Amino acid sequence: DTGVSQDPRHKITKRGQNVTFRCDPISEHNRLYWYRQTLGQGPEFLTYFQNEAQLEKSRLLSDRFSAERPKGSFSTLEIQRTEQGDSAMYLCASSPGSNTIYFGEGSWLTVV
Amino acid sequence: AQRVTQPEKLLSVFKGAPVELKCNYSYSGSPELFWYVQYSRQRLQLLLRHISRESIKGFTADLNKGETSFHLKKPFAQEEDSAMYYCALSGHNNDMRFGAGTRLTVKP
Repeated sequence: DTGVSQDPRHKITKRGQNVTFRCDPISEHNRLYWYRQTLGQGPEFLTYFQNEAQLEKSRLLSDRFSAERPKGSFSTLEIQRTEQGDSAMYLCASSPGSNTIYFGEGSWLTVV
Repeated sequence: AQRVTQPEKLLSVFKGAPVELKCNYSYSGSPELFWYVQYSRQRLQLLLRHISRESIKGFTADLNKGETSFHLKKPFAQEEDSAMYYCALSGHNNDMRFGAGTRLTVKP
């Protein structure tokens, strides 16, 4: 499968712990997006990379959240000092620059 | 600010009936509009985009700039169309914003 892959697919963590999600985009896609989705809602934009540059960050992305794409390939999304409100599906997507974006299957986070 | 509104969370029709999923947007410039679909146990995927002006799986959507709408239509719904449908807008920053989604159920 050469689509967008995300790891881990599921993560249960205790409140206050740090978690990190990884996203591997489709090869040679220069754009990479992170979204958060909760039950009954559409994907909410978190941040967006063009190659290794982080071009936009949503207000939803508090200072506990940080995303990187160090070499313009894979990306990581870290959440520090997790809170129960962080429980959600974290979706990664990539695009070759055509505005058509391709989603991964998502990483489920449950904070207990 | 760009915003996408899907007023119906749930929509149920019988097989063979016409279906219309509503989408309204607000954006100050010239947006690109998309419909994405998520079938059960599958990832979110692109259904169609307004600039292509094509019909996919019998679905069409016309961008109405006067009414700021991009409704998705199909004349004869099929059971396999049952899914979550999300309207999305891409602005000049290339960031894609999604509506809350409409769950379509097509009954036999």
